[in-house]
Amino acid sequence: QVQLQESGPGLVKPSQTLSLTCTVSDVSINSGDFHWTWIRHHPGKGLQWLGFISSRGSTSYNPSLSSRLSISLGTSENQFSLKLTSVTAADTAVYYCAKEDGFSYGIFDSWGPGTLVTVSS
Amino acid sequence: QSALTQPASVSGSPGQSITISCTGTTTDVGGFDYVSWYQLHPGKAPKIIIYDVSNRPSGFSNRFSGSKSGNTASLTISGLQAGDEADYFCSSFSGTLTREVFGTGTKVTVL
Repeated sequence: QVQLQESGPGLVKPSQTLSLTCTVSDVSINSGDFHWTWIRHHPGKGLQWLGFISSRGSTSYNPSLSSRLSISLGTSENQFSLKLTSVTAADTAVYYCAKEDGFSYGIFDSWGPGTLVTVSS
Repeated sequence: QSALTQPASVSGSPGQSITISCTGTTTDVGGFDYVSWYQLHPGKAPKIIIYDVSNRPSGFSNRFSGSKSGNTASLTISGLQAGDEADYFCSSFSGTLTREVFGTGTKVTVL
């Protein structure tokens, strides 16, 4: 199974930009047909799909966040990143990175353990 | 898009069977056979336990089974074990624009 690990600051101030990185092990993110995905879990609520970047570099974003969200391949090898601008308390959540099978839909077969991001001054 | 509706909690005794429902609409659960189920233990990476409504990943226990009828998908856990205590989320493909919608989550307690 592919290993994923999220990293980034656990505390972000309102109106600032939330930046997270996902480091992938055991497979090259440039190979195969996968969607490298970000998903978040609001405390006490359901999961929310945020978006992905494909192995070929194409992106897809949740329409409710698309004006604030960008996902890109990382500057270091085998990483991809999330940037969410103009954050508010509503963006406080556990953020997960995951790998989706690009040949089907909704098969997130590998996940990171998640990282809690709190938006607070 | 709205989250899929799941019961907040389900409980059962060891050895019993429980079923978790996941209700959506014709634009997600009812419209596609792309329903998945995930198991979340606190502090650990979520695991996929069912995909494409009723398929199990290789090596995963056959005590977990999935089905769908109309706009409602279901996950059944048979032979309930203490290790099954976790949060469970369903998800469904909901079209190429909104992609994926998740359920509200169900906490399973083994009595």
